[in-house]
Amino acid sequence: EDQVTQSPEALRLQEGESSSLNCSYTVSGLRGLFWYRQDPGKGPEFLFTLYSAGEEKEKERLKATLTKKESFLHITAPKPEDSATYLCAVPYRTDKLIFGTGTRLQVFP
Amino acid sequence: NAGVTQTPKFQVLKTGQSMTLQCAQDMNHNSMYWYRQDPGMGLRLIYYSASEGTTDKGEVPNGYNVSRLNKREFSLRLESAAPSQTSVYFCASSESIVGSGTYEQYFGPGTRLTVT
Repeated sequence: EDQVTQSPEALRLQEGESSSLNCSYTVSGLRGLFWYRQDPGKGPEFLFTLYSAGEEKEKERLKATLTKKESFLHITAPKPEDSATYLCAVPYRTDKLIFGTGTRLQVFP
Repeated sequence: NAGVTQTPKFQVLKTGQSMTLQCAQDMNHNSMYWYRQDPGMGLRLIYYSASEGTTDKGEVPNGYNVSRLNKREFSLRLESAAPSQTSVYFCASSESIVGSGTYEQYFGPGTRLTVT
């Protein structure tokens, strides 16, 4: 069964304390992995697409990496404004996405 | 560009009432989607439309109907609302074309629906 699992469910960090979020998947024939950020009361905002193992993408304090079984979202020296829920998703069947339940990140000053 | 817009932002219905959620995108995308998001369940696909004139069921279609009115607009209808349909509904669009790869989806701001 196609599945996406994210861990941890919640993460509390002090400002400047770097950490990583995990997204593991069981989908045959991976055709991409997507990361989104979701602020409370808003729709998910697209961050990155990764297509092949070994690929990395960066945006400000965020870096996403991909292996054959999982993806990591590394957050370097986070700031309070990085607080949000981070979602990952993978395609299945045609052009549909299956989403993980997300990691809720809180960064305290 | 407004991106993906949804109306209304909030709605309260009584059990058995009907309503239509509206969605429009101005990015000339082929594919459009309706999701619901519930605590602990993540985003679940209700219906999607790969192109104008086509629609297909997603993971949780029961109790819903959709219409792809044209390339820009995709509406979601609840014919007889039930408390189990209390949720946040998101519309999304993508330039994905069936058979040519999967592209990122862009989401609207959501509709918060409560059914009492």
